[in-house]
Amino acid sequence: AQKVTQAQTEISVVEKEDVTLDCVYETRDTTYYLFWYKQPPSGELVFLIRRNSFDEQNEISGRYSWNFQKSTSSFNFTITASQVVDSAVYFCALSFNDYKLSFGAGTTVTVRA
Amino acid sequence: DVKVTQSSRYLVKRTGEKVFLECVQDMDHENMFWYRQDPGLGLRLIYFSYDVKMKEKGDIPEGYSVSREKKERFSLILESASTNQTSMYLCASSPSPGRVVSNQPQHFGDGTRLSIL
Repeated sequence: AQKVTQAQTEISVVEKEDVTLDCVYETRDTTYYLFWYKQPPSGELVFLIRRNSFDEQNEISGRYSWNFQKSTSSFNFTITASQVVDSAVYFCALSFNDYKLSFGAGTTVTVRA
Repeated sequence: DVKVTQSSRYLVKRTGEKVFLECVQDMDHENMFWYRQDPGLGLRLIYFSYDVKMKEKGDIPEGYSVSREKKERFSLILESASTNQTSMYLCASSPSPGRVVSNQPQHFGDGTRLSIL
């Protein structure tokens, strides 16, 4: 069975603190894709990153970074020097050998000024 | 930019009504999806379609049906609305043709917050 677990329900930090969001997945497929989406209070889901199962290279994009570790089935996401505009719900998602996405329950991040 | 448009941001209906949620995408995507989002449960797939007039059940299809008569439009239908269908509904589209490994992100609409009274 395929499953995505985001153990953290809510995280609250003060501006400029770093935030790390955990994502653990389960799949029997050897080829799969992992995603992170952001949902700000306005409601739309914004695509952040895609990573395939053959590419364990970690990535940094501005204040965002991702740590993919196949050995532990984890795809964690870090926001460095958080800002109030980072307040949102963040979803980790897994795509199997078709084009359907399976989402985690989401982590609500609140950044206080 | 890809645009996925959902017909309503907020909708209030009564128990037993037939409810239509409409979604239109402007990028000629083959795949379209309907999800519902509930606190603590994330997004759950209701139905998806990989071509005109083609549809497949997702994880929670009970109480819903869909229609895809044109490539750009995917409708979600609540045949007889019930209070447990009060939720946020999100439509998405993606360009992956057919059943291949997906490496393209799905693009989402702004969501419809549906309340059933």
